[in-house]
Amino acid sequence: TQLLEQSPQFLSIQEGENLTVYCNSSSVFSSLQWYRQEPGEGPVLLVTVVTGGEVKKLKRLTFQFGDARKDSSLHITAAQPGDTGLYLCAGGKAGTASKLTFGTGTRLQVTL
Amino acid sequence: DAGVIQSPRHEVTEMGQEVTLRCKPISGHDYLFWYRQTMMRGLELLIYFNNNVPIDDSGMPEDRFSAKMPNASFSTLKIQPSEPRDSAVYFCASSLPGQGDGYTFGSGTRLTVV
Repeated sequence: TQLLEQSPQFLSIQEGENLTVYCNSSSVFSSLQWYRQEPGEGPVLLVTVVTGGEVKKLKRLTFQFGDARKDSSLHITAAQPGDTGLYLCAGGKAGTASKLTFGTGTRLQVTL
Repeated sequence: DAGVIQSPRHEVTEMGQEVTLRCKPISGHDYLFWYRQTMMRGLELLIYFNNNVPIDDSGMPEDRFSAKMPNASFSTLKIQPSEPRDSAVYFCASSLPGQGDGYTFGSGTRLTVV
C-alpha cells in the first residue's frame, strides 16, 4: 500500500513553462522530503520541510508543506531541460527514527 | 567522502543462480537501507539496519532474499536462487539518525535475471 500518492505521474512540458507536482497522504508526517532522480543514478535530496505551512525555496523550485502535514507541493518556475528527472516525495513519522516512506513518483520531461 | 558505493553497477545472471550485491555506506552514518526500484512498484524498502543490526526486514520479498551488515562499512544483499521477477534496480542508502538530513543513495545495481 502506497501511503504517499504523487500527481501527476508523468509530465512533459516545454522549456520556460511553470509546473506543480503534488504529494498527498491520509497520514500525518513529522517531516517531508523531496528528491530528484536522474537516469542511471540514485535519488538526490533537494529539501526537507518539517513545519506545517512551511515554504522553502531553492532557486526556481518552491516547496510547501501542508498545514496539516499530510501533503506537500513542488512548484518549478520557468522549467529548464536540466530539471528533467523523477521527482520523489518521502515522508517520515515521529518515532520511526530515520525510516522514510517514498511516494509513487512524478516523471518530468522538459523539452526545448 | 566518496558517497555510498555500490557494486556491481550491472549484473546479468541466469535464473537459479546466486546474486550478491554490495554496499559501502558513508562513514559515520548509523543507518543503512536497501531499496528495490521497478517501474510498476516504484521504490520499495526491503530492509534497514541501525548500527549494523537489522531493524525491519518486513519488506524482504521472501526467504530467497537475505541481507547482512558484518561491520559499519559494508553490507550485502543476497538473492538465492534468483528469478526473472527479481530483475530491478537495487539501491543502498545511508543516513544519520533522525529524518532531517535525508538519505544518501548509491548509484544502484541494475540486476537482470534471464
